[in-house]
Amino acid sequence: DIQMTQSPSSLSASVGDRVTITCRASQSISSYLNWYQQKPGKAPKLLIYAASSLQSGVPSRFSGSGSGTDFTLTISSLQPEDFATYYCQQSYSTLAITFGQGTRLEIK
Amino acid sequence: QITLKESGPTLVKPTQTLTLTCTFSGFSLSTSGVGVGWIRQPPGKALEWLALIYWDDDKRYSPSLKSRLTITKDTSKNQVVLTMTNMDPVDTATYYCAHHLWFGELSAFDIWGQGTMVTVSS
Repeated sequence: DIQMTQSPSSLSASVGDRVTITCRASQSISSYLNWYQQKPGKAPKLLIYAASSLQSGVPSRFSGSGSGTDFTLTISSLQPEDFATYYCQQSYSTLAITFGQGTRLEIK
Repeated sequence: QITLKESGPTLVKPTQTLTLTCTFSGFSLSTSGVGVGWIRQPPGKALEWLALIYWDDDKRYSPSLKSRLTITKDTSKNQVVLTMTNMDPVDTATYYCAHHLWFGELSAFDIWGQGTMVTVSS
């Protein structure tokens, strides 16, 4: 299986901050990398697909980059509604889709 | 508008078989590139992909759970069913179904159901 490792596991930040979350794959996955946001008690929501494409309806302060094994999710200016847990997910191998362990973004 | 909703038992006993149904609307599971997957999340833990079925009846399973899982679709009823055998307390989780799109490098779960909590306990 392709292992996905996110860092950091948790992060404290303030409204207005620029935040970056990293996801590393155990082998090259080209650009088959998605990012999801999950709020407590809710289903995950797709933010970014194919590493850098913004899902329809997602604010432009969210952006993704990377290819191969290293990827980043950036929130340019944190808003109160952005405090949540973020997951990366690889779909390079649909024989074994895998998620990262999650990054919890908390209010400082 | 695409919607999905999971249904099934909230409580199962160890060793029993879990059957979950995903009922969806707003899309057809006979459309090229479309799939429905199942993902679970134990309380306080990360997401874990379980299974995925495509428009052409191609089926994919998590390698670690493959021997216990079966996914099927009923296109006429707009339903996807997941069965998991030999349930154990570690299988206690919220189970989600999700719409999956696959076009080129777009391969993602873009719409999710609300999830259903399943507890495994005697």
